[in-house]
Order: sequence, then structure tokens, then C-alpha cells
Amino acid sequence: ETGVTQTPRHLVMGMTNKKSLKCEQHLGHNAMYWYKQSAKKPLELMFVYNFKEQTENNSVPSRFSPECPNSSHLFLHLHTLQPEDSALYLCASSQGTGTEYQETQYFGPGTRLLVL
Amino acid sequence: AQKVTQAQTEISVVEKEDVTLDCVYETRDTTYYLFWYKQPPSGELVFLIRRNSFDEQNEISGRYSWNFQKSTSSFNFTITASQVVDSAVYFCALSDWNRDDKIIFGKGTRLHILP
Repeated sequence: ETGVTQTPRHLVMGMTNKKSLKCEQHLGHNAMYWYKQSAKKPLELMFVYNFKEQTENNSVPSRFSPECPNSSHLFLHLHTLQPEDSALYLCASSQGTGTEYQETQYFGPGTRLLVL
Repeated sequence: AQKVTQAQTEISVVEKEDVTLDCVYETRDTTYYLFWYKQPPSGELVFLIRRNSFDEQNEISGRYSWNFQKSTSSFNFTITASQVVDSAVYFCALSDWNRDDKIIFGKGTRLHILP
């Protein structure tokens, strides 16, 4: 596998379900990101992890819970979601924050989530 | 505050025509990065180009070219001799030099290339 992979690619869940989205990067990067792309809004940054530490939480509701066990893996745990949470969830990675780094983010294919 | 505006929501052109996608940005920073990403129907965002604010030279890569005009805060993207495979949503983005882990995206321009 190369690049950034995400599983599952599609997910349908009820509002009472608990599910997790998985992201894995094979680029040797140290920073990982979760974005939400919904039909009515521009791409929204949700979380940033740098060297496994969360450096950004963009006012995301607590029903979204990220986990970064190591620099290659990023999870987004979902529970008691709302229908308006239906969206494409994109994971990205980049080399890692530092003044000498030039940050280009590389994206996974996304998980299309439908909350019923 | 930083902001990226892509005024063209949707564009349709016939194959082989040239098309320019506009991007205007706002930032108080003197140093920053600008990006273009392509999102095909499959969903992933594909990196196309990164330009730092020091470098105003235009860039050409095959059928793609970018025009960076600092004086007008614009970073426009032109596809020459468009092809059906160019159909996608294109995002312009901006990041701060010091917080380069946080990219601000425009709303995107949906480009339809008609056969």
C-alpha cells in the first residue's frame, strides 16, 4: 500500500451506533489530519496530530473522538451521531510541523458517512 | 483573518478549450503558502502545486499553469486543451508560514469538461 488509505470507504450508521474510521499513511509522515467535507460547507479541518500529539481541535463536538496511537495511524471514533454529520471524512498527512518543513498535505480517498 | 475565495462555483467547457479557475486570497501575513488540489469523483484530494509567497514566477506543468499575482492576491489556475479527465472539483488553499499545518481551503470550483 502506498500513500494514505482510509477504511471503510462507505459507512451507513444509525444515530445510536458506535463506529470508527481508520486512516493509515505509508509516507513516513509525522502529522495527520481529519477533515469533514459536507455538501453545504467548505472543507473543514477537524483535528491535527503532530508526532502523535493533538495540536488542533477545531471546536468539534465530543461525539467525534480522535485517536492517534502512532504517527502512521489515525482513528476517528463516532458515537451518537446526528444526520447532519453525514459527510465525506478525509484524512491527510504531512511531513511534520517545523520551520524547516514545507507542509504539503496528502489526502486519503475519504469515507462517505451516512447517518440515518 | 485568512480567507480563500473561489468565486466560480461551477464551470462547463467543451473539451479542448482552455479554462481558468480563479482564486483570490486574504491574509495579513507577509509569508504564506498557496496550494491547488484536485478532487475527482472518487473523493480524494490530489495535490497539484504549492507556491510560497516569495516566488511570484508563473509555473507551467504540462497542460496546467498557475499565475500568482501578489499585487491582486490572486493565484489562478489555467488548464489548456482541457480533457474530459480534467472534470473534478478544484480547491485553492492558503496556509500560514508559521502554522503550516493548518490549511484554509476555498469552497472549490466544480469543472465539467464536455466531450
